Order: sequence, then structure tokens, then C-alpha cells
Amino acid sequence: DTEVTQTPKHLVMGMTNKKSLKCEQHMGHRAMYWYKQKAKKPPELMFVYSYEKLSINESVPSRFSPECPNSSLLNLHLHALQPEDSALYLCASSQETGTLWGYTFGSGTRLTVV
Amino acid sequence: GNSVTQMEGPVTLSEEAFLTINCTYTATGYPSLFWYVQYPGEGLQLLLKATKADDKGSNKGFEATYRKETTSFHLEKGSVQVSDSAVYFCALSAPTGANSKLTFGKGITLSVRP
Repeated sequence: DTEVTQTPKHLVMGMTNKKSLKCEQHMGHRAMYWYKQKAKKPPELMFVYSYEKLSINESVPSRFSPECPNSSLLNLHLHALQPEDSALYLCASSQETGTLWGYTFGSGTRLTVV
Repeated sequence: GNSVTQMEGPVTLSEEAFLTINCTYTATGYPSLFWYVQYPGEGLQLLLKATKADDKGSNKGFEATYRKETTSFHLEKGSVQVSDSAVYFCALSAPTGANSKLTFGKGITLSVRP
């Protein structure tokens, strides 16, 4: 298995809703990442988990809450989002942080906040 | 800090034309260099990579050579196809430990006409 699987593929949520994005990999990678991508822009790093511990939080608002229940799973819990949070949310993984070998990305969750 | 600079886009070519997309970087140490491709509505896919000076990465007819003397990693393809239409991101990973990140260029949109 050489994939990163993200669910759901599309999500529409209201500003008062609570939802979660899910990411799963079975490559034995010990680093996992959340990125946010706006249209026609490069991905922006949000969070990094290394060995299931949060190692980087890029000053992301608290309405985004990451969770790493085990080495294969990464969640992003969403609460009280704003319309400007609408974007493609990408999960990625790598063997380790500081890897020379690049990341494997999922297909993303396209989030629309209404 | 680390940075990646890509040529301005978009780029429009006819099928079977020669493609060059320029990428230069600034980094401390010896980074790894990558080209990622994003097809419409999808996540990022690793296209090719190079981990040391003079390495040539290649995949699907695309090539890029790690040039340390010019700090460049230009992407080339001898004959593009309509199916190559996508956004291309140059990126680097500088292995500085737990806080290492993948740094992206702004991306460039390639459109190939039949």
C-alpha cells in the first residue's frame, strides 16, 4: 500500500458545525502532515506530527484541532469555521521528518464553509 | 531561510512542443529537490526528485538535473501531451531535523493544446 487516503473527498459545513477530516496511511511512515491549499496557490503547512506527537503548529487558529490517534491515522477536527477557511485540505506522510525522499500526498478534502 | 522561485506562468504550449519550467532555490546545507504535479481537482503527486548535486531525476518523459553551481532544478520534457496539462510545483526539503519542512515554489500552470 503506497497511498495516503483522505475522507471525505468533499465537505460542506456551516459556520456552527463540527466536523472532522480523516487521513490514513499504511506505509509505516512516522511523520504526517496537514496542509491547506487555496486555489492557484501552493500548499501551506498547518501541522506536523512526528511519531504521533505534534512537532510543528504553524500558528493555526484553534478552530482547527489536529489529532493523531495512532501511527497510521491523522484527524483534523473543525469547529466554528469561517468562509475564508474554504480550501483543499491535504494530508501527507513521510518516513521521517527531515526526510530526503519527499512526501506522499493524499487527494485532499475539498471543504466549503457556508 | 529556505526558498524556491519558479518562473511566472501560465504556460501554454501545443502538443509535441518542448517544455522547460525554470526553478531556482536558496537553502542552507544540501537540500533534496522535487517536482510535484497537481492535476485538476486532485492532490499532489511526486513527479521526480534528486537528492544530491548532479543527480538527474526522471519520470514519464520529464527530467530535471540538480545543479548546485547555479542552484537550479529546471524541469524539461521533449514532447508534451494534452494529458500533461496541470500545475507544477518545485519544492525542496532541507534535512534539519524535526523542524524540517517541504518548501514549495508558487507553482506554474501548464496548458497543452491539441
